[in-house]
Amino acid sequence: DQQVKQNSPSLSVQEGRISILNCDYTNSMFDYFLWYKKYPAEGPTFLISISSIKDKNEDGRFTVFLNKSAKHLSLHIVPSQPGDSAVYFCAACTGNQFYFGTGTSLTVIP
Amino acid sequence: EAGVAQSPRYKIIEKRQSVAFWCNPISGHATLYWYQQILGQGPKLLIQFQNNGVVDDSQLPKDRFSAERLKGVDSTLKIQPAKLEDSAVYLCASSLLTGERETQYFGPGTRLLVL
Repeated sequence: DQQVKQNSPSLSVQEGRISILNCDYTNSMFDYFLWYKKYPAEGPTFLISISSIKDKNEDGRFTVFLNKSAKHLSLHIVPSQPGDSAVYFCAACTGNQFYFGTGTSLTVIP
Repeated sequence: EAGVAQSPRYKIIEKRQSVAFWCNPISGHATLYWYQQILGQGPKLLIQFQNNGVVDDSQLPKDRFSAERLKGVDSTLKIQPAKLEDSAVYLCASSLLTGERETQYFGPGTRLLVL
């Protein structure tokens, strides 16, 4: 039972343009959401998070939007850079339990 | 600050053999997690420790998997006997846990191939 879904396995974006990565969840008890970035042969690294009491959180080029009514969150990267090419996982948390999506592979084309 | 350390980085075994993975979390981090990530899927939590106590092991296949965290620091995850479907990356993560929601910091993972 996949409670967190990333329906796009891959995404290609031109350098300098916006990258939008999407994530949907089914459990209304999730109250904290995170995005992780993963390079090959490395563990995921934390990127940005958002609490369910907010609908937007921004950190430099990265912004996460949360739409609780739609059970949807998205990560915006502006402007996209070649170094952003990686697999991005969204994760949702309730209590101490974390659930991860299947990941979206982002390729930023120079 | 040193990150989460894991060893070995790669392991190839035959089915029915045993294997153990080791994790050293970030110093001072009370909470330690073991995840299994099968190719094409997101990480799935196997077990969560707070200090040396188990918080959640509901998704750990206890007939073949075991884990311990002696003295609340290092942790070992063991599979005995291994099956083909255990081929995956095993990720260890730790968090500080100050009573608020904490970010997890991941190690590089151990890639297991069961033949």
